[in-house]
Amino acid sequence: GAVVSQHPSRVICKSGTSVKIECRSLDFQATTMFWYRQFPKQSLMLMATSNEGSKATYEQGVEKDKFLINHASLTLSTLTVTSAHPEDSSFYICSAISGDQPQHFGDGTRLSIL
Amino acid sequence: DAKTTQPNSMESNEEEPVHLPCNHSTISGTDYIHWYRQLPSQGPEYVIHGLTSNVNNRMASLAIAEDRKSSTLILHRATLRDAAVYYCIPYTGNQFYFGTGTSLTVIP
Repeated sequence: GAVVSQHPSRVICKSGTSVKIECRSLDFQATTMFWYRQFPKQSLMLMATSNEGSKATYEQGVEKDKFLINHASLTLSTLTVTSAHPEDSSFYICSAISGDQPQHFGDGTRLSIL
Repeated sequence: DAKTTQPNSMESNEEEPVHLPCNHSTISGTDYIHWYRQLPSQGPEYVIHGLTSNVNNRMASLAIAEDRKSSTLILHRATLRDAAVYYCIPYTGNQFYFGTGTSLTVIP
């Protein structure tokens, strides 16, 4: 079945650091990729929708200058958390979709900011 | 966006059937009903989806009410590996918005 790979799976860094998370669709070309954030014991919250070659669409309340999204190809999207602070610590999950197929999710990145 | 209502939690004995309900009374006529499940510390996993007719696959069955205002995910024989949070999501082909889901506990 379709596979979405997310890297790294876990990252711990100091406050003020910028962190990049990669999301790759391994065996299909993704027309759209999505980025979610999930806090402990809560549901997934959609952050942004990313289409290849165009600017990402951010959900209300998500700072686009804080969470930079690049979707350079049909198989790769990146999320960069700039100048991360402890409140940015969360579980970040990407997903990819092609045509009418169901979304396929990565295994998530656990981000911890000290 | 269509709102969904699911029980916060449910329990099932191992090897027994489980019926997970979802109300989506504000669903539009073109929304597919998707079901995903999420195990701890993992991304969601696709389970099944449908529009109007009941659907079956190797993982589960999906029963959709005639008025489409509710649906039920059916796991025919629950196993310990089915313990997860289950989400139903009406989907128009744009964004996916997750509700709070149902946390399923499977008792050995």
